[in-house]
Amino acid sequence: DAMVIQNPRYQVTQFGKPVTLSCSQTLNHNVMYWYQQKSSQAPKLLFHYYDKDFNNEADTPDNFQSRRPNTSFCFLDIRSPGLGDAAMYLCATQRGREETQYFGPGTRLLVL
Amino acid sequence: TQLLEQSPQFLSIQEGENLTVYCNSSSVFSSLQWYRQEPGEGPVLLVTVVTGGEVKKLKRLTFQFGDARKDSSLHITAAQPGDTGLYLCAASGAGSYQLTFGKGTKLSVIP
Repeated sequence: DAMVIQNPRYQVTQFGKPVTLSCSQTLNHNVMYWYQQKSSQAPKLLFHYYDKDFNNEADTPDNFQSRRPNTSFCFLDIRSPGLGDAAMYLCATQRGREETQYFGPGTRLLVL
Repeated sequence: TQLLEQSPQFLSIQEGENLTVYCNSSSVFSSLQWYRQEPGEGPVLLVTVVTGGEVKKLKRLTFQFGDARKDSSLHITAAQPGDTGLYLCAASGAGSYQLTFGKGTKLSVIP
């Protein structure tokens, strides 16, 4: 059974054209994360939500925004994608502090 | 800033060989996870270790958490081509929401 679902799995957008990636979870976890991962590198945390509390990493570009309308869903908005934003975007969830994170299958973003 | 040093970064071995991947830090962690990631997919959790000295086995994979909870190892016995992938260790500190990741080990098992 899918626990962390990401849609779409592949997304192609044009340079500067806004794009939204979505994540949903069936685990009822409090914490949701968005990561960016480039080829064969470790995931890089962009931001996370604890319930509705939003926490942005200091080096996350302003171009990246997020919304969490309810416990189950979280969105990543890229306002003006650049070529350097092409990457795998991973959503993860966690029940609470110090607990295991569970990752979705990722969305691969291509910027033309 | 907590750092996790993961080694080796790349590993190419023949089917049937054994291998060990290491994850080391100067920091104490409350828990450590090992993930395996295939190309185009998200990381899949293999194991979580929380107790110093803990050893967990998952078929041919053996995971160990150091006594001081600063390091961990993953040992694969008789590697198979299906073990090919990126192995990531990730750990969290006391009271933290965030995971510190190692840089990953890209394993290729050649038939």
